[in-house]
Amino acid sequence: DTGVSQDPRHKITKRGQNVTFRCDPISEHNRLYWYRQTLGQGPEFLTYFQNEAQLEKSRLLSDRFSAERPKGSFSTLEIQRTEQGDSAMYLCASSSPGAGDTQYFGPGTRLTVL
Amino acid sequence: GQQLNQSPQSMFIQEGEDVSMNCTSSSIFNTWLWYKQDPGEGPVLLIALYKAGELTSNGRLTAQFGITRKDSFLNISASIPSDVGIYFCAGQLVGQGAQKLVFGQGTRLTINP
Repeated sequence: DTGVSQDPRHKITKRGQNVTFRCDPISEHNRLYWYRQTLGQGPEFLTYFQNEAQLEKSRLLSDRFSAERPKGSFSTLEIQRTEQGDSAMYLCASSSPGAGDTQYFGPGTRLTVL
Repeated sequence: GQQLNQSPQSMFIQEGEDVSMNCTSSSIFNTWLWYKQDPGEGPVLLIALYKAGELTSNGRLTAQFGITRKDSFLNISASIPSDVGIYFCAGQLVGQGAQKLVFGQGTRLTINP
């Protein structure tokens, strides 16, 4: 399977704990995006990388959230001191400027904060 | 955050019927995309539109990029049970530097057997 992969698929945690999610993009894609989707809504943009550089962060990305893409390949999204309002589906997408920059999504990580 | 206006929010149809849904925005986009999402999964790309006025088909699906760049529609002909799901439109902003997508709130399609 050469699509975008995310791990874990599901995460249940207690309020106040830290969680980290991983995204592996399509191998030839140099752009990687994180989105958050709450129930009944469309995905909302969080942040975007071109290679290892984080080029834009949404105001939704509070200081408890941090994303990295250290080698320009996989990316991690960490949430510190989780709150119940962080419960959502976290989606990763990747794209390549040479392929129309069309974004392809992974299966998502469903986070539940108790 | 900014979202597109997608309608209808839900549709209940009979198998075999045609379906039409659309998205409008107050902002101009340079790309429109249509995705389908099944429960617990990520959005799957259906059709991508890159030019104003462009009409593109993918099997039973047809989508158009509005000439004003502020709207798009998706049609599904002769619906089948596997068409059930949530359909999202997404626009890519012009001149904002980032390549982020702005999504509609989705159209939930239910098919009665």
